[in-house]
Amino acid sequence: NAGVTQTPKFRVLKTGQSMTLLCAQDMNHEYMYWYRQDPGMGLRLIHYSVGEGTTAKGEVPDGYNVSRLKKQNFLLGLESAAPSQTSVYFCASRTSGASYEQYFGPGTRLTVT
Amino acid sequence: AQSVTQPDIHITVSEGASLELRCNYSYGATPYLFWYVQSPGQGLQLLLKYFSGDTLVQGIKGFEAEFKRSQSSFNLRKPSVHWSDAAEYFCAAVFAGNMLTFGGGTRLMVKP
Repeated sequence: NAGVTQTPKFRVLKTGQSMTLLCAQDMNHEYMYWYRQDPGMGLRLIHYSVGEGTTAKGEVPDGYNVSRLKKQNFLLGLESAAPSQTSVYFCASRTSGASYEQYFGPGTRLTVT
Repeated sequence: AQSVTQPDIHITVSEGASLELRCNYSYGATPYLFWYVQSPGQGLQLLLKYFSGDTLVQGIKGFEAEFKRSQSSFNLRKPSVHWSDAAEYFCAAVFAGNMLTFGGGTRLMVKP
C-alpha cells in the first residue's frame, strides 16, 4: 500500500514549456486535490476532483489544467510554464465520508526559468 | 472572508521545553479544524483534528490542541519538545464544502 505517490519528484522547465504531473493513489479514494506550496502562504488549492471524470477549480486555477480519467490518477498540466509557477506541488486524496482527512503525497518541486 | 491565520512564522524552543503554536480562524460558525506537520522534503501528515465535542483533542506524537470558541482559536501544544519535532506546522480548516483552507505555516526550530 503506497498511499499517494507523485511523479516526478523534481523538474526544471524553461518558460513556455509544458509538462504533466502525475498523482496516483491506491486507497480507492473518491476525492483528489492539487495544491501548490509557496513560502509563507501555506498550501493553496489549484484544482480538485470529487470522482472519476469530474474536476473543479480551486483557489488558484489559472495556468493549470487537470484530468481524472481513472479513479486512482489525477493529472496536473501546465501548458505554457511561467516563472510564477515555480513552486512545490502536492497531491492529496480522501474518502467521500465525513472524516475530511486528506492524505498527501511527497510533493514535486518545480522550477521554471 | 473565511481564513486561517498562524501569527508566528518562526518559533525556536529548547529541547525539553513546552511548545504552543497559535492558530486563529475567521468564520461565522465552528469549522472542522486540523493540524498537519511537514518534515523537511516530505508531504503533510495529520497530527489531530477537531469536529465537535471535547474541546481538548489528543493527537499523534504527543501533541494536543485546544479549541476555544470565544477566541476562534485552535492552538497546538506539546509539553516537552524533542529535536525530531523540528518541522513546519500547518493549521487548516474546512469551512463549507470539500476544501481545506490552510494557514501560512509555522516553522519550528529546536535548540539542543
